[in-house]
Amino acid sequence: EIVLTQSPGTLSLSPGDGATLSCRASQSISNNYLAWYQQKPGQPPRLLIYDVSTRATGIPDRFSGSGSGTDFTLTISRLEPEDFAVYYCQKYGGSLYTFGQGTKLDIK
Amino acid sequence: QVQLMQSGTDVKRPGASVRVSCKTSGYTFTDFYIHWVRQAPGQGLEWMGWIYPRNGKTQYAQKFQDWVTMTRDTSTRTVYMEVSSLKSDDSAIYFCARESSGWKSDAFDTWGQGTMVIVSS
Repeated sequence: EIVLTQSPGTLSLSPGDGATLSCRASQSISNNYLAWYQQKPGQPPRLLIYDVSTRATGIPDRFSGSGSGTDFTLTISRLEPEDFAVYYCQKYGGSLYTFGQGTKLDIK
Repeated sequence: QVQLMQSGTDVKRPGASVRVSCKTSGYTFTDFYIHWVRQAPGQGLEWMGWIYPRNGKTQYAQKFQDWVTMTRDTSTRTVYMEVSSLKSDDSAIYFCARESSGWKSDAFDTWGQGTMVIVSS
């Protein structure tokens, strides 16, 4: 079973800053089956990025994903107030799906 | 548009079972996998398993294999998830989510609003 480890646990930044969130897999992820989600309190998660780097419908281009193998990154350029939330990476496919433990992005 | 509408909050005693429903609309029900994900209070997301509505095939995370059952009713386009032998640490929000592609493994593009299950004596 692949384990996803996200870092940092909490990231404190200001609106207008850039953010870099990391997701490391215990084994190589095949087919680029890696997604990122955003979750705000009281809401279900929202899909941001799938297949490592493809933005989901309606996601602004300040969100971008990159990486391969075991190391993946979600980058948010020019943070907006609505971007402060918890972010999860996810490995999908191969019958078993896994989430990272999350990174909380909060306002400094 | 694609929608997943879940049943409401449920309170159960330890040892009981709970069944959560997820009614779908806006797409061909039998073409897309439905997954269940749970989130304990203040915690992260935990994948529980999936069901393929076309044939009812299921796959569970190993942790849930012996006490979670996922079923579907094609006539009402509804998926169900039952958890048996509830313990207090099963108290969580349970989400259903649709896998966005019917022809390849994919991420979850649509989520239900979540169902809170409270296990308390």
